[in-house]
Amino acid sequence: DQQVKQNSPSLSVQEGRISILNCDYTNSMFDYFLWYKKYPAEGPTFLISISSIKDKNEDGRFTVFLNKSAKHLSLHIVPSQPGDSAVYFCAASALGGYQKVTFGTGTKLQVIP
Amino acid sequence: GAVVSQHPSWVICKSGTSVKIECRSLDFQATTMFWYRQFPKQSLMLMATSNEGSKATYEQGVEKDKFLINHASLTLSTLTVTSAHPEDSSFYICSTDLSNYGYTFGSGTRLTVV
Repeated sequence: DQQVKQNSPSLSVQEGRISILNCDYTNSMFDYFLWYKKYPAEGPTFLISISSIKDKNEDGRFTVFLNKSAKHLSLHIVPSQPGDSAVYFCAASALGGYQKVTFGTGTKLQVIP
Repeated sequence: GAVVSQHPSWVICKSGTSVKIECRSLDFQATTMFWYRQFPKQSLMLMATSNEGSKATYEQGVEKDKFLINHASLTLSTLTVTSAHPEDSSFYICSTDLSNYGYTFGSGTRLTVV
């Protein structure tokens, strides 16, 4: 049972435009959500997170939105840059992030110059 | 969809003992498995890449003799933490790369060394 779902395996966006990556979860116990970025031959690196007490968290060009009622979160990248091309993982955890993290299967983002 | 089954989910062991963690690919063959160490609210640290039928490739700073990886079949990769110490306590997670179908992660193993 996939508790964290990223239904789009890939996404292509023009440089300068907004990239929107989506994620859905099923476990209502999840209260801490993370986005990771992964380049080839490297491990996923932490990008941005959000606690369930918030519905938005912003860090520079990256904003994560959380809709608890819909069990949906999204990552917005504005403006998109070619260096943003990578695989992005959505992940969720319980107990404020100190429980194990459950990952989605990833979305490969390609930013076209 | 592809599933990676990871066992055990949690384990408590005494300092100095060894612990084996298994990752099995269900309904597909995994020629490559990635092993990560996971810290709370932080990035996953890639420890090693295991390839079926050959020696694992370890990342810089990861002790090969301490973290033994075996990938003897297309459906099973194991990580053995030898002579575990309290500082080895962490979450360990495996993952496989299904190329166009995305990555599939195991459910993770919480190791506590006392």
